[in-house]
Amino acid sequence: DAGVIQSPRHEVTEMGQEVTLRCKPISGHDYLFWYRQTMMRGLELLIYFNNNVPIDDSGMPEDRFSAKMPNASFSTLKIQPSEPRDSAVYFCASSSRPSGGLRNTEAFFGQGTRLTVV
Amino acid sequence: AQTVTQSQPEMSVQEAETVTLSCTYDTSESDYYLFWYKQPPSRQMILVIRQEAYKQQNATENRFSVNFQKAAKSFSLKISDSQLGDAAMYFCAYRTLPNTGNQFYFGTGTSLTVIP
Repeated sequence: DAGVIQSPRHEVTEMGQEVTLRCKPISGHDYLFWYRQTMMRGLELLIYFNNNVPIDDSGMPEDRFSAKMPNASFSTLKIQPSEPRDSAVYFCASSSRPSGGLRNTEAFFGQGTRLTVV
Repeated sequence: AQTVTQSQPEMSVQEAETVTLSCTYDTSESDYYLFWYKQPPSRQMILVIRQEAYKQQNATENRFSVNFQKAAKSFSLKISDSQLGDAAMYFCAYRTLPNTGNQFYFGTGTSLTVIP
């Protein structure tokens, strides 16, 4: 498997524009997580899905953020309208359900999308 | 709510020496998983080591080992014989079980510098 694939790797946009980040999880994984990484706050969980269903979106900062998972192989994180304070690295990660011992316990991360809003 | 605390934003170590990165967490659960991830400048998150909470034996992976103190809710990472390639940001993480949310919580990270 190619691992978790995120696109784009870098995104520069102007304030007020819509931004869409994309993620393809590892095939067979039934959990998908979106994180935001900043120097001040580290890795913050924004939302996660189980079997394509959003389970906890309490980390989504405000209504400008939305996430979807229309099928098991694709998810999007959208920011509309974007603001300079949204500038950060956004990670997508996927994992399986633990299946005994340490099997399938870790999260696998994509390369992240560095978002810059000017 | 579960939280993970890494109290050392930055650490440095001389090449070939040993360094310990600290991590504490807060939980009311009795069973969970703990991890250390490494993030080099490439941004890729790499799993270093992991531990099941109900196993008291400390996990070891080559030069990396942990000191897991369940009662103290402490999970420190020891890197022995430090190498230049160990320079990175290190994140401690905690995973709840599927029946209690199945979420991953991360600390704010410790930036490790290795001095030649």
